[in-house]
Amino acid sequence: SAVISQKPSRDICQRGTSLTIQCQVDSQVTMMFWYRQQPGQSLTLIATANQGSEATYESGFVIDKFPISRPNLTFSTLTVSNMSPEDSSIYLCSVVGRLGGGYTFGSGTRLTVV
Amino acid sequence: AQTVTQSQPEMSVQEAETVTLSCTYDTSENNYYLFWYKQPPSRQMILVIRQEAYKQQNATENRFSVNFQKAAKSFSLKISDSQLGDTAMYFCAFKAENSGGSNYKLTFGKGTLLTVNP
Repeated sequence: SAVISQKPSRDICQRGTSLTIQCQVDSQVTMMFWYRQQPGQSLTLIATANQGSEATYESGFVIDKFPISRPNLTFSTLTVSNMSPEDSSIYLCSVVGRLGGGYTFGSGTRLTVV
Repeated sequence: AQTVTQSQPEMSVQEAETVTLSCTYDTSENNYYLFWYKQPPSRQMILVIRQEAYKQQNATENRFSVNFQKAAKSFSLKISDSQLGDTAMYFCAFKAENSGGSNYKLTFGKGTLLTVNP
């Protein structure tokens, strides 16, 4: 299965600022996914990032707040813009294995907005 | 839309004993995949086991096995010989088989916090 390096592992940010999270995969993958896990909650899909096209966002998430880049088949970034304390969460990237295979996740970014 | 329900927010078990975590789901799809993920305090999501809906045989991975009841839409996880390292949040997840669009999306339950006591 793929190995994902996600950075940073954690950060404390001031409200109103932006943070960019990076995910690097050790193999080429077509689709990458970005999830949010609010404190004590389950994972919620933010968007699907396809190389060469705009990301597809889930209901409740918009590009202005969570812009995503996918410049090649091994790398993606998620930016959390104009942060507020409500954005304090763990953010995880994920890639899908062979069809039906399990998904591999990055180690997550714990974001605290103060 | 699919939904995944884990009715046990927390469970505990003594080391070396067996515990079963419950998961039910709702879908109109006929072909799909079900997963159990483990998330220890390190936050890393680790795939524990997966089941293809078209397979009648229950999946097994060492101490972990599932009881998949397709008609009842039930997918429970049994952990045998529990170890202290099994302490984690466990998430049940669903994915439709058909490729394309939102069918690649994983839908997660709310999770069950399992504590293994020495």
